[in-house]
Amino acid sequence: GAGVSQSPRYKVAKRGQDVALRCDPISGHVSLFWYQQALGQGPEFLTYFQNEAQLDKSGLPSDRFFAERPEGSVSTLKIQRTQQEDSAVYLCASSLTDSPLHFGNGTRLTVT
Amino acid sequence: QKEVEQDPGPLSVPEGAIVSLNCTYSNSAFQYFMWYRQYSRKGPELLMYTYSSGNKEDGRFTAQVDKSSKYISLFIRDSQPSDSATYLCAMSRGGGNKLTFGTGTQLKVEL
Repeated sequence: GAGVSQSPRYKVAKRGQDVALRCDPISGHVSLFWYQQALGQGPEFLTYFQNEAQLDKSGLPSDRFFAERPEGSVSTLKIQRTQQEDSAVYLCASSLTDSPLHFGNGTRLTVT
Repeated sequence: QKEVEQDPGPLSVPEGAIVSLNCTYSNSAFQYFMWYRQYSRKGPELLMYTYSSGNKEDGRFTAQVDKSSKYISLFIRDSQPSDSATYLCAMSRGGGNKLTFGTGTQLKVEL
């Protein structure tokens, strides 16, 4: 079946602009995670949803970062007033309960 | 100090070699251990998933976990140029819990 789908694949934003990144998880997967991957680094946890409930947002770096999953399927990660340090690849992953995570190909965000 | 340490490489080996990749960790609460492969401009792809200590084999890949030493390894036999990628170790407290990743080791298998 289809894997985790993320859009857009690439996003260039001017400093101070707001961006919205979309994740379509694998159908039926209740758990959804967002990770941030800086160049040459491993992914770092941002936030976690079980269905529509955001159970852990401890990894969000500031209050400029906001994530939602209103119907328990598609999720959006929003970054307000982007800064250069926000430049990274944003990865979405989904899973069944107590199962390994399956990742999308990410959105590469460049803030100029 | 990071919770998970992994040598970033790069590691270059000839085709057919046995590759050994490893990670150390400090948090004894980790129970689930994974290896992901990541090609350039792609997302991480799950290779191996193990629970607690022991060995697991899948084709040319063998994962080892030694919880007493807080040390995990991935062995690749008969390495191929198509194995050239970054290998990320990851671990979690629960089966579907958030993952803590290593930095990733960049591997190049040369003809």
